[in-house]
Amino acid sequence: QKEVEQNSGPLSVPEGAIASLNCTYSDRGSQSFFWYRQYSGKSPELIMFIYSNGDKEDGRFTAQLNKASQYVSLLIRDSQPSDSATYLCAVMSDYKLSFGAGTTVTVRA
Amino acid sequence: EAGVVQSPRYKIIEKKQPVAFWCNPISGHNTLYWYRQNLGQGPELLIRYENEEAVDDSQLPKDRFSAERLKGVDSTLKIQPAELGDSAVYLCASSGSYEQYFGPGTRLTVT
Repeated sequence: QKEVEQNSGPLSVPEGAIASLNCTYSDRGSQSFFWYRQYSGKSPELIMFIYSNGDKEDGRFTAQLNKASQYVSLLIRDSQPSDSATYLCAVMSDYKLSFGAGTTVTVRA
Repeated sequence: EAGVVQSPRYKIIEKKQPVAFWCNPISGHNTLYWYRQNLGQGPELLIRYENEEAVDDSQLPKDRFSAERLKGVDSTLKIQPAELGDSAVYLCASSGSYEQYFGPGTRLTVT
């Protein structure tokens, strides 16, 4: 079983819609949770992090964490073509960051 | 504030040749990471440094990979000899707390 699993893509959404990305993790002792965006041919860029249960909003992005269910999600509201990228979920345990394989999002105009 | 700097950006070598990658972290970041990312996968940790000390190198293939971080700033990752399966993007990241910031990476192609 992989440590971090993301919903398989690709995910295609119309411009202006909400993109919903899901991630589950296996280590119940995980402490910190991150979402990275990676454009094709580029390196991962940190867009959100969350440490406590609940929601955290930053602009059009909302991260949601449920430690009891070992689940973290990312919502992208009012999706734009510039949001088309691969989104990586990363989970930290004992200072080690484990990544999922990523979900590729395509926003169609 | 300058980001993580890596060089070279691209490298093509023949198998069995040596190769080295260099990383300069964000100023003030004591923790430095080397990751390898294969196509279609997330980055995988190779080694983590706290200042000069390698505190987690459990995923580093030590028979052919080596790394150093002299004076707790710049770091070099070396592969000798390279194998076809080493073709990947090698990413350096640094952090001052929990958030990690990545450099642009080095795309290695072994032929």
